[in-house]
Amino acid sequence: GQSLEQPSEVTAVEGAIVQINCTYQTSGFYGLSWYQQHDGGAPTFLSYNALDGLEETGRFSSFLSRSDSYGYLLLQELQMKDSASYFCAAYSGAGSYQLTFGKGTKLSVIP
Amino acid sequence: GAVVSQHPSWVICKSGTSVKIECRSLDFQATTMFWYRQFPKQSLMLMATSNEGSKATYEQGVEKDKFLINHASLTLSTLTVTSAHPEDSSFYICSARDSSRGFREQFFGPGTRLTVL
Repeated sequence: GQSLEQPSEVTAVEGAIVQINCTYQTSGFYGLSWYQQHDGGAPTFLSYNALDGLEETGRFSSFLSRSDSYGYLLLQELQMKDSASYFCAAYSGAGSYQLTFGKGTKLSVIP
Repeated sequence: GAVVSQHPSWVICKSGTSVKIECRSLDFQATTMFWYRQFPKQSLMLMATSNEGSKATYEQGVEKDKFLINHASLTLSTLTVTSAHPEDSSFYICSARDSSRGFREQFFGPGTRLTVL
């Protein structure tokens, strides 16, 4: 089966940096994505890593190590609006490339 | 671009009735659409994968006769919850993949909150 593990909750101070880790066990793994979801809203795409290394998009960076089955999302210069749930999700399987989500990490940014 | 809409955004129905939820890709063609359900404070669970013009592929444990999926065109997929019961109350989210962009990114609809009384 497919499984992704990430911390359930993280609290950080406004302006700080926070890292959300994700370990995965998936067969036919293609890549790791990160999605943000505010309460009551739809998930929005943040990043995708297919290869090892760091991908940077503004204040957000994502890292993947395929040999370690591990990735993380790094959020810099935290803002109050970053308070949301963050899901790592793995692409796997031939054909339809299904996306399997982790259980999500609820990030609370405090003043 | 890459907008996915869902209708309705919320619905309340009586137990035993059927509810249809529409998912549309507004500015791109989606050969593949996905239906998820999400319980409060939990993750998104894939229910089924819908390919245009063919039968949907359901995940283990999802009753295909209860959750009817139709993907009749490249921009529309529908999920019908038949004979709904209170335990079907959930947040249903569809997503679509832009065929021209490969599988890197899935675009999610705003979700439909279903409450069955």
